[in-house]
Amino acid sequence: EVQLVESGGGLVKPGGSLRLSCAASGFTFSSYSMNWVRQAPGKGLEWVSSISSSSSYIYYADSVKGRFTISRDNAKNSLYLQMNSLRAEDTAVYYCARGLGSGSYSFGDYWGQGTLVTVSS
Amino acid sequence: QSALTQPPSASGSPGQSVTISCTGTSSDVGGYNYVSWYQQHPGKAPKLMIYEVSKRPSGVPDRFSGSKSGNTASLTVSGLQAEDEADYYCSSYAGSNNFEWVFGTGTKVTVL
Repeated sequence: EVQLVESGGGLVKPGGSLRLSCAASGFTFSSYSMNWVRQAPGKGLEWVSSISSSSSYIYYADSVKGRFTISRDNAKNSLYLQMNSLRAEDTAVYYCARGLGSGSYSFGDYWGQGTLVTVSS
Repeated sequence: QSALTQPPSASGSPGQSVTISCTGTSSDVGGYNYVSWYQQHPGKAPKLMIYEVSKRPSGVPDRFSGSKSGNTASLTVSGLQAEDEADYYCSSYAGSNNFEWVFGTGTKVTVL
């Protein structure tokens, strides 16, 4: 059974840092691209970042470029999101989502349960 | 990149059909066959219902169908059931300048 489990969320002050993790199981993690998507409280979904299966290709939304870093460790079946210089507008539930594979750009056939990041003084 | 435009709400009685629109531009919806639709129940993670405009992942009922015309994509839910009541979001690849995905504003579907 495919499972994605996020962790690392919490309360952080503006300007602070946080590292999110997404532990994957039930599939060959190294064969799939991975993504982070966030959802502010009561708001819609926002794509944050994507990383290819071998980390060769990494992309960010303009809203987080230069502040967030996506990475993965295929030996540990884990995806990460290092978030620096956090702002109030980064407050959201952060989901990791799997790419569909087979050369498709699409993603989201599997999602984690989400981890809440709250940026507040 | 601006969010794709969806109607805030849509509704239908059990057994009826409802269609949700998703309007973008030639730089996203109109430019690529990478439109996805997600269903999200309150407090839950999104669920992929349609990808690449009209493809259904395994396990998604064929009551759900997707299409696209120009800069507007659509999701149709036929034979509405109570469990279809949820928020629905479209999403499109928007990589004209760089790799990017944009989501729609979301539509709350109510089963009357």
